[in-house]
Amino acid sequence: QVQLQESGPRLVKPSETLSLTCTVSGDSLSSYYWSWIRQPPGKGLEWIGYVYYSGSTNYNPSLRSRVTISIDTSKNQFSLILNSVTAADTAMYYCVRYNWHYGGFDPWGQGTLVTISS
Amino acid sequence: DIQMTQSPSSLSASVGDRVTITCQASQDIGNYLSWYQQKPGKAPKLLIYDASNLQTGVPPRFSGTGSGTGFTFTISSLQPEDIATYYCQQYDNLHTFGQGTKLEIK
Repeated sequence: QVQLQESGPRLVKPSETLSLTCTVSGDSLSSYYWSWIRQPPGKGLEWIGYVYYSGSTNYNPSLRSRVTISIDTSKNQFSLILNSVTAADTAMYYCVRYNWHYGGFDPWGQGTLVTISS
Repeated sequence: DIQMTQSPSSLSASVGDRVTITCQASQDIGNYLSWYQQKPGKAPKLLIYDASNLQTGVPPRFSGTGSGTGFTFTISSLQPEDIATYYCQQYDNLHTFGQGTKLEIK
């Protein structure tokens, strides 16, 4: 079965860059969209964006100016870069597969809490 | 942007009760709606897609209906393990989640 695992720094300073990687095991990246979704502590879910296995991307308009999502099919990984972070970017970050065949985000990684603080 | 409004924001019910959550879209999204369950400290889990289709392995006490702008999620007989926060999510135009409904046992 497909499993996703986030990795990257858990603490980032304000104005710096948040960088996370998701490693996918149990399947190739082909034919799916690979997504990042975040959840501030005690709050709801926010879709950040996704990358198709071909490399094409789509982002949440509210974050588009600061976000880049990329894919490395040779490593079965995809990555998130979020620039110029502030405390408002403190959140649990999940990597997730998006099944365009039926519109569901499934499965999800366990998530990684990233704190923005000096 | 499409806005998703869930109600209620919290709900207390007894084991065996029928529980209903509604989700309203700010514009017509057809049946492009999913429902997720998130237990404390865990990642969300997909329960229903295309408004009414049960994801594989999800118990049949969970169901969804609706199309256009109004959607309903139902648990036919609440079980203790159903305590969680539930989210709707549209995928007609990019992706937007509702604000969540926290379900507690009375």
